[in-house]
Amino acid sequence: ELKVEQNPLFLSMQEGKNYTIYCNYSTTSDRLYWYRQDPGKSLESLFVLLSNGAVKQEGRLMASLDTKARLSTLHITAAVHDLSATYFCAGDDKIIFGKGTRLHILP
Amino acid sequence: NAGVMQNPRHLVRRRGQEARLRCSPVKGHSHVYWYRQLPEEGLKFMVYLQKENIIDESGMPKERFSAEFPKEGPSILRIQQVVRGDSAAYFCASSPGGIPLHFGNGTRLTVT
Repeated sequence: ELKVEQNPLFLSMQEGKNYTIYCNYSTTSDRLYWYRQDPGKSLESLFVLLSNGAVKQEGRLMASLDTKARLSTLHITAAVHDLSATYFCAGDDKIIFGKGTRLHILP
Repeated sequence: NAGVMQNPRHLVRRRGQEARLRCSPVKGHSHVYWYRQLPEEGLKFMVYLQKENIIDESGMPKERFSAEFPKEGPSILRIQQVVRGDSAAYFCASSPGGIPLHFGNGTRLTVT
């Protein structure tokens, strides 16, 4: 069964800085997802990555997928406080989730 | 367009009672997924259903838990004889068979 590992699990960073969240998965996965969850809220779909080398960008967030390395990254550029949330990556048809990265951006 | 609707939002049950969680998928979506989330943790897959069929229930506990998605009406996740360890947020998601999943706002179950 697919296993998904994210790191770091907690991240506190200053506004304006760049950082990357890593997502490793254990077996072949047809697709890789990134979601955002605010405290007490549901999950919001951010990106769906379907193929090796896929790169998608939305605002200050950019996601990429390397299927050979079984690695996806979520890069945050010039972070702002509004990006504070928990970010999950997930793979496989059943959507197997990682434990999430709790991102806290300090003003 | 209504999204995935889950009710109730909050549910309190005493140990030994039954909990019934409802999920109405996005109109036209025939695929439903249920997940459980413990505090400070990720979502754990429980079951995947299509209309009238359970496709994958590998994440469901073998006892006390059941799920259905009838031809008409919402999907139901049923937990019999609840225990304290069942306290969690239960999320439902739907899709038309493709991606991405649309998630509901969850049902927060508290067992006292």
